[in-house]
Amino acid sequence: AQKITQTQPGMFVQEKEAVTLDCTYDTSDPSYGLFWYKQPSSGEMIFLIYQGSYDQQNATEGRYSLNFQKARKSANLVISASQLGDSAMYFCAMRESTNSGYSTLTFGKGTMLLVSP
Amino acid sequence: DSGVTQTPKHLITATGQRVTLRCSPRSGDLSVYWYQQSLDQGLQFLIQYYNGEERAKGNILERFSAQQFPDLHSELNLSSLELGDSALYFCASSVDLTGTTQYFGPGTRLLVL
Repeated sequence: AQKITQTQPGMFVQEKEAVTLDCTYDTSDPSYGLFWYKQPSSGEMIFLIYQGSYDQQNATEGRYSLNFQKARKSANLVISASQLGDSAMYFCAMRESTNSGYSTLTFGKGTMLLVSP
Repeated sequence: DSGVTQTPKHLITATGQRVTLRCSPRSGDLSVYWYQQSLDQGLQFLIQYYNGEERAKGNILERFSAQQFPDLHSELNLSSLELGDSALYFCASSVDLTGTTQYFGPGTRLLVL
């Protein structure tokens, strides 16, 4: 079973509108973290937002917010007031810890977001 | 700019060759992670070092090896290269062992001909 599932290969949104990118995850680790990264066409991976499994409040960073629904194992990214520069590939990722104290980061396959004027 | 540097930016080589990719983590970060991003496999975790010691291994081939030096920079060595090794190789760093937040470098794009 996939640990991170991003069901939307691509999304279109008009400038200034909000968009939600879906992410569901699967883990038995009680202490995990969820991340969203943005990868523009230039290739770099840009950290956007982080949500810890024990965090009570949904994470927010500027125009980005993470809609964390623990029981449903979902961690959707909401981008408000989309901008042309938001056009990029977006990856959801999960950090799981092991008994040895290290962690691994597992990525979903990504969602390509295109923002039109 | 994440503060993580990677060299070279691009690398073109032939099958059977060996290459070394270099990464300098953000100042103060002790953990370094290596990832491979290819079209068919997506983004895959390869290996983690923390303060000079190997701490976690992912889907890293035996032909690949890495190390982290006392100044905390890291190198990923890829040998007996195959066409399928063509990919974007990322290094990321975090301040701690658990990698609560990992900051990625710009990547090294490797093309094996």
